[in-house]
Amino acid sequence: DAKTTQPPSMDCAEGRAANLPCNHSTISGNEYVYWYRQIHSQGPQYIIHGLKNNETNEMASLIITEDRKSSTLILPHATLRDTAVYYCIVRVATGTASKLTFGTGTRLQVTL
Amino acid sequence: EPEVTQTPSHQVTQMGQEVILRCVPISNHLYFYWYRQILGQKVEFLVSFYNNEISEKSEIFDDQFSVERPDGSNFTLKIRSTKLEDSAMYFCASRRLAGRLYEQYFGPGTRLTVT
Repeated sequence: DAKTTQPPSMDCAEGRAANLPCNHSTISGNEYVYWYRQIHSQGPQYIIHGLKNNETNEMASLIITEDRKSSTLILPHATLRDTAVYYCIVRVATGTASKLTFGTGTRLQVTL
Repeated sequence: EPEVTQTPSHQVTQMGQEVILRCVPISNHLYFYWYRQILGQKVEFLVSFYNNEISEKSEIFDDQFSVERPDGSNFTLKIRSTKLEDSAMYFCASRRLAGRLYEQYFGPGTRLTVT
């Protein structure tokens, strides 16, 4: 699975958009970009994933650059409950097991 | 919304003792996983399980560890002789055979403290 690089921490004011970047310059053509988050030692929570097109769901939007070497997770209106560690994971979505390999992620602090 | 449950939430044991951590995956899921997270460190993959056998395991998952699906609902992780370094949060996860491209659902975790 391709390696990812994320800033260790970010701050965001409540109500503003949080834009979390991720670099994955060695991504292969068959690898997807996944985002999970972990709120204060709870179990990780799936947010969104994509291959090459931008994606949006009820939680967030995922913007993937045309060359697929980087992506941005957007939380459109961050709340205090979005304070968490956000993990960008790149992996092939095939195979029988498909384990997740977590990095150190970005610690997002949402403030009043 | 269905969720993965884990028991106990906190387990304290003495070094050398056996522990069993229990998980109830989401009912229609077919792939099961254990991960662990030592305090302040990354979430680490331990093992995946499908069709009543281990699909993949990490270097951490040595002979002291075993997994079992004793009935149609539970999925357990056993540590035969615990060590101090086994102290961690242990997360169970599950996913469907197909669907949202291998999205995994995690339980709340069991905090294991070895003294």
